[in-house]
Amino acid sequence: ETGVTQTPRHLVMGMTNKKSLKCEQHLGHNAMYWYKQSAKKPLELMFVYNFKEQTENNSVPSRFSPECPNSSHLFLHLHTLQPEDSALYLCASSRASGSFGTQYFGPGTRLTVL
Amino acid sequence: EDKVVQSPLSLVVHEGDTVTLNCSYEVTNFRSLLWYKQEKKAPTFLFMLTSSGIEKKSGRLSSILDKKELFSILNITATQTGDSAVYLCAVVNRRGGADGLTFGKGTHLIIQP
Repeated sequence: ETGVTQTPRHLVMGMTNKKSLKCEQHLGHNAMYWYKQSAKKPLELMFVYNFKEQTENNSVPSRFSPECPNSSHLFLHLHTLQPEDSALYLCASSRASGSFGTQYFGPGTRLTVL
Repeated sequence: EDKVVQSPLSLVVHEGDTVTLNCSYEVTNFRSLLWYKQEKKAPTFLFMLTSSGIEKKSGRLSSILDKKELFSILNITATQTGDSAVYLCAVVNRRGGADGLTFGKGTHLIIQP
């Protein structure tokens, strides 16, 4: 247990569905991150939030919409996804934005898009 | 385009062997290089390297960075079955006022008893 929790752990959705992934940390961290890990591709940083403000968006398609209502919670809203969006979505947090060496990762949500 | 290449992509050895995992990179405005171990889901942090030639050590694991030749190695001595995992290398660089992070594809290490 790293102190970062993600729900749900597994999600199967159709291309027309709307769903949300949730990430929560009570480590007192100020930065939170979303990553995508597809089979046979490198882990990709998607979004960075620092003190609830988005500081990085790595050219992620608009069908992925992040939300950070406070420093402890991070959501990833999903709509009209494609089968190639099936992947493991990892959330992480750190004390400050850019402190990649001290990130704590959650267990991930395994997403399958049919 | 920033690039991180790990080799080998997979490796099978016997318990007790020593392994060396490689990570080479091509990025602008390098800041640091990170190694992670990913067993099932969440990657766990191993090392952060910022200076050339200074070995970082933790038990049977050690790592070193060469900023001139743009690579790092991760060594594991006296391997155990619990070392079986995917080892990820990532490079932090400065992009447009913020730090970015680029991962390699990982080395899948299997330790056979």
